[in-house]
Amino acid sequence: AQSVSQHNHHVILSEAASLELGCNYSYGGTVNLFWYVQYPGQHLQLLLKYFSGDPLVKGIKGFEAEFIKSKFSFNLRKPSVQWSDTAEYFCAVNKKTSYDKVIFGPGTSLSVIP
Amino acid sequence: GAVVSQHPSWVICKSGTSVKIECRSLDFQATTMFWYRQFPKQSLMLMATSNEGSKATYEQGVEKDKFLINHASLTLSTLTVTSAHPEDSSFYICSASFRGRSGSPLHFGNGTRLTVT
Repeated sequence: AQSVSQHNHHVILSEAASLELGCNYSYGGTVNLFWYVQYPGQHLQLLLKYFSGDPLVKGIKGFEAEFIKSKFSFNLRKPSVQWSDTAEYFCAVNKKTSYDKVIFGPGTSLSVIP
Repeated sequence: GAVVSQHPSWVICKSGTSVKIECRSLDFQATTMFWYRQFPKQSLMLMATSNEGSKATYEQGVEKDKFLINHASLTLSTLTVTSAHPEDSSFYICSASFRGRSGSPLHFGNGTRLTVT
């Protein structure tokens, strides 16, 4: 069965610091990969996705992620975080077949201190 | 863009009653919708996959008789929590993907906060 792990449960950073959130998945087949963000009191929003092609994908709000197939990883990065990036971040994966269910990681809570 | 509408956004009910939550895809056809549950400070846990015109597929540990799912049309799936108890209090979220687009990212509803007293 697919599973997703995220390296950090809670990350605290000062504004302008660089961010990297780790994500690993366990599935031997071809997958689609996602990062979602949930701001306090709000619903999920898609930050970025990887389907195929360039393993370095850029998303909204200055976020990017790199798919490293050999490591089964899809880490999220941002060079300089802002206070408004305080949120819960979820890595997710689904099998590259039509309409397959998406499995979410446990989430990483990011707190950015002004 | 695509929108998934979920209703109601919050509901309070008494223990033993049933609650129905609707999930609609507003501008696209969704042959498949997914129902998730999110406890406070936790991740989204998939409850079931709702397929239009057929029975839902439930994840291990989810009681199908307690969480009734109906997907009668390409734009509507409903989740009914039957004989609700306080431990069913949670945040329920539906999602849907475009018909005919393999691997398309899911679009999420805004969720329903259920509180059972």
